[in-house]
Amino acid sequence: GDSVTQTEGLVTLTKGLPVMLNCTYQTTYSPFLFWYVQHLNEAPKLLLKSSTDNKRTEHQGFYATLHKSSSSFHLQKSSVQLSDSALYFCAYDSGYNKLTFGKGTVLLVSP
Amino acid sequence: AQTIHQWPVAEIKAVGSPLSLGCTIKGKSSPNLYWYWQATGGTLQQLFYSITVGQVESVVQLNLSASRPKDDQFILSTEKLLLSHSGFYLCAWSSNWGGAGEQYFGPGTRLTVL
Repeated sequence: GDSVTQTEGLVTLTKGLPVMLNCTYQTTYSPFLFWYVQHLNEAPKLLLKSSTDNKRTEHQGFYATLHKSSSSFHLQKSSVQLSDSALYFCAYDSGYNKLTFGKGTVLLVSP
Repeated sequence: AQTIHQWPVAEIKAVGSPLSLGCTIKGKSSPNLYWYWQATGGTLQQLFYSITVGQVESVVQLNLSASRPKDDQFILSTEKLLLSHSGFYLCAWSSNWGGAGEQYFGPGTRLTVL
């Protein structure tokens, strides 16, 4: 069935290092893909979205490229900051007014 | 600009007691509305969605119900709370036409059931 698989659990990095959070999906649709970021005790916020194959989309220093051939939409940043510590969700629009979310990846950035 | 408000901000309730959570969106006509539940540090589980006043579809059964009494209002309720209802409840909206299906979340209500 339809699903989203993310980098499991916790990713810890030192400030200034690059990060890549993996996201792969399985769906019979040609979906829109999203990344949401949720800081502690806050609501999730939309970070990136894409439906265009092989086109890089960027926002707030984060970027991702949808690759339909490999069903992937990995999130990257070249230099993480302390403020990037948060829970990150990959999701896709599976139609019928439903977003399917991955389990989430916690990114923890240390000084 | 659209704004989404949820109430209350937090609740502490006893097992077996009733619950009503609310969500109001301003600045958007006829939005699609959603309720989500999130365990601490967990994923987002969609509970209900509504595309029009008076019409609500259930996605999962968690002994909860939802209603949409007005175009800009979405209510989540139960007559009897369970311990498993504890968590973070989020209301979200999306455009009913165009767009990519992206949803925008309200600030949430944190519910603790004791």
